[in-house]
Amino acid sequence: AQSVTQPDIHITVSEGASLELRCNYSYGATPYLFWYVQSPGQGLQLLLKYFSGDTLVQGIKGFEAEFKRSQSSFNLRKPSAHWSDAAEYFCAVALYNQGGKLIFGQGTELSVKP
Amino acid sequence: DAGVIQSPRHEVTEMGQEVTLRCKPISGHNSLFWYRQTMMRGLELLIYFNNNVPIDDSGMPEDRFSAKMPNASFSTLKIQPSEPRDSAVYFCASSPTGQGGGYTFGSGTRLTVV
Repeated sequence: AQSVTQPDIHITVSEGASLELRCNYSYGATPYLFWYVQSPGQGLQLLLKYFSGDTLVQGIKGFEAEFKRSQSSFNLRKPSAHWSDAAEYFCAVALYNQGGKLIFGQGTELSVKP
Repeated sequence: DAGVIQSPRHEVTEMGQEVTLRCKPISGHNSLFWYRQTMMRGLELLIYFNNNVPIDDSGMPEDRFSAKMPNASFSTLKIQPSEPRDSAVYFCASSPTGQGGGYTFGSGTRLTVV
């Protein structure tokens, strides 16, 4: 069955330090992958997406993600964390062989300490 | 573009009452999705539509839940009768038809059933 796994429920990094949020997917066809961010009480904002081509994709707010087919992973990274990055992050895969159904991982809560 | 518009933003209702959540997708987007978010279960896809037609409603928890999309610019999610365990944030999202489209989320409706 198709699924998205975010192994880390909560991550804490120091401001200025690099961060990496992990995402693994299970999907038989070519995956279309997304990262969303959700601030408390807010909706979901698209950070970046991967459809094809270059496996390193750049997103908003200085984030990037790398698609690794051999590892079924799509990890999110940022070289230098900012206090405003504290939020919940969701990885998702679109199942285009099922009408574009979008399924999410359980989310990773990111805390940034001064 | 005003984005995906959901109403109301907050809803408090008594158990047993009917609740109707509303969504206006982005103009030109042919797919519409309803999600429910809770602490325990994360983001769950309830139902989605392509060109106003329900494609997959396997995520709808019970017969108390129903969704309609009478035209391309409006959808409703109805719960009748409501129960306390329905308390959650309900998100609507829309996307253009075909692969490569992004998914835009509304701000959500926070439902509290007392």
